[in-house]
This record gives sequence, C-alpha cells and structure tokens, in this order.
Amino acid sequence: SQQGEEDPQALSIQEGENATMNCSYKTSINNLQWYRQNSGRGLVHLILIRSNEREKHSGRLRVTLDTSKKSSSLLITASRAADTASYFCATDRIQGAQKLVFGQGTRLTINP
Amino acid sequence: EAEVAQSPRYKITEKSQAVAFWCDPISGHATLYWYRQILGQGPELLVQFQDESVVDDSQLPKDRFSAERLKGVDSTLKIQPAELGDSAMYLCASSLWGQGYNEQFFGPGTRLTVL
Repeated sequence: SQQGEEDPQALSIQEGENATMNCSYKTSINNLQWYRQNSGRGLVHLILIRSNEREKHSGRLRVTLDTSKKSSSLLITASRAADTASYFCATDRIQGAQKLVFGQGTRLTINP
Repeated sequence: EAEVAQSPRYKITEKSQAVAFWCDPISGHATLYWYRQILGQGPELLVQFQDESVVDDSQLPKDRFSAERLKGVDSTLKIQPAELGDSAMYLCASSLWGQGYNEQFFGPGTRLTVL
C-alpha cells in the first residue's frame, strides 16, 4: 500500500522554468524524503525534511512541509534537461514499522 | 564513491521457472532493503534486513518469494515459481541504520520479464 500521492502525475516544462511537484500523505509522519529516478535506474536521495521543519533548501531544490495539511512540495528552480526524471516522495510514519513508504511519483520532462 | 551493486541487470524467464537476484550493499550499511517497482508506480518494500535478521517482510509473498542475508552482508532474493505478474523492477537499497530518517542508497535494479 502506498502512503503518498504525487501531483501532478506528469509535468512537462521548458528548460529554465521552475517545476513544482506536490505530495500528499495520509498518516502522521516523522520525516519526508524526496528521491529522483532516471529512466530505468535506481533512486537517488535528494533531500529529507523532518516533521518539525517547514522548509528546506539544497542547491536548486526547495522543499516545504505542511503537517497540518499532510502535504509537501518540491520546487526545482531554473530547470535543466538533466532534471528529466521521475520524482518520488517517501514518508516515515510515526506509528508502525520503521520503513519508508513511497508515493506513485511525478514524471518530469524538461524540454530544451 | 561506494555504490550498491545488483546482478543481473536484466532477466527474462518463463513462468514457473525459478529466478534469483543478488545485491551487495555499501560496506558498513547494516540495513538492506528489497523493493519491487511496477512500471509507473513507486517502489514497494518486500523485505528489510537489519544485519542478517529480517525486520519486515509483511509484503513479501512468502509462498513463492524468499530472501536471505546469511552473513549480514550481501543478499539474495529468489522467486520460485515465477508468475506473469512478477514482471517488474527489483531494487535493492541499503542504509546505515533502519530508522526512517536514514538516507537509502539504491542499486541500479534488476528488470525482470516473465513470459
């Protein structure tokens, strides 16, 4: 069973534009992570935000977390062709097993 | 830079046959994970090891799937017999510890096709 739902399922933008992806989840969490997956490859960790944090930055990435709405967003600024990939949020629930539960992902395409 | 190794990268088999996947985690990582990822979906945890012990296999179809990590280092995931619905990407990941705040490092995956 998957905890998170990413929105939109697919996003296509022009190079240089900003890309925003959203993640909603169902149960209270300790942490939320974002991962990137290039086509046919393994996942790469991008950023982790804890439940007591509201915003976090890493290079061109900005992640926000709203625990009252059970949602998070990932913003990629000044997009590049190399950012073309699928992006997944993964949550670590407060109750239950200590494991990450991944969402369905957003497929991002950057057009040159 | 240390990486998680997986083999084979691709596997084609016929239904009812047995298949096995191998994973070598990053050295020193106590926790190892096997995920299944169906095309267009996110990874789903099949089994989690802490050293050589299974800590979560609640989503592992135990009638046909088995996993082991005998010496707490590398791991093997087996399917016997394979079914058409098992076609998917099988991903191995490792982390220092099993807590949810730990970053997981993923291998390149094994793409399984069952005919």
